[in-house]
Amino acid sequence: NAGVTQTPKFRVLKTGQSMTLLCAQDMNHEYMYWYRQDPGMGLRLIHYSVGEGTTAKGEVPDGYNVSRLKKQNFLLGLESAAPSQTSVYFCASSSSRNTLYEQYFGPGTRLTVT
Amino acid sequence: KQEVTQIPAALSVPEGENLVLNCSFTDSAIYNLQWFRQDPGKGLTSLLLIQSSQREQTSGRLNASLDKSSGRSTLYIAASQPGDSATYLCAVQSGGSYIPTFGRGTSLIVHP
Repeated sequence: NAGVTQTPKFRVLKTGQSMTLLCAQDMNHEYMYWYRQDPGMGLRLIHYSVGEGTTAKGEVPDGYNVSRLKKQNFLLGLESAAPSQTSVYFCASSSSRNTLYEQYFGPGTRLTVT
Repeated sequence: KQEVTQIPAALSVPEGENLVLNCSFTDSAIYNLQWFRQDPGKGLTSLLLIQSSQREQTSGRLNASLDKSSGRSTLYIAASQPGDSATYLCAVQSGGSYIPTFGRGTSLIVHP
């Protein structure tokens, strides 16, 4: 049982490049979330999903797109990276069933955009 | 809109002290409250989750209490150790929402 995993762990992009961050969970959770964490700003929600095939915008969605084609995976895409997207990105998942919405976090992806 | 505040933002204590971290929230209609620990450069690790019907939860040297009517939760750490040094965050899940609201965290340093 790996919990929540994220790939890659680190990435450096040039402005204008694109990339996809992958989040995978093996707990059969319905809900999945993408956050970014910046110094002094706390955790901010980018997008979330309440089930396979569904996505919704969070607090800071601009410049990001997401997809949840499979229940266990939640992808975060940056189509044209900007220096303002330099951050640490965390994925989380939760369930309304046995775990009562307890959030489980991945280890994070540290992204630098130059 | 739910707002979560954690005070103090930073705390430095000598080893062995018992300490209390505070979390306050503005809307008492919550489903649960969760405490996390975050080590530098790492993800968030869940410490304790308190359901709205509960008053407290305990795990080892940690005890979390919840007072919905006053909009407050406290995390009590007994006999602090240098290994407890980390940032502690609380998150509130409001009733009817899929999205938790996080506080900014309390950065704790326990020095030998």
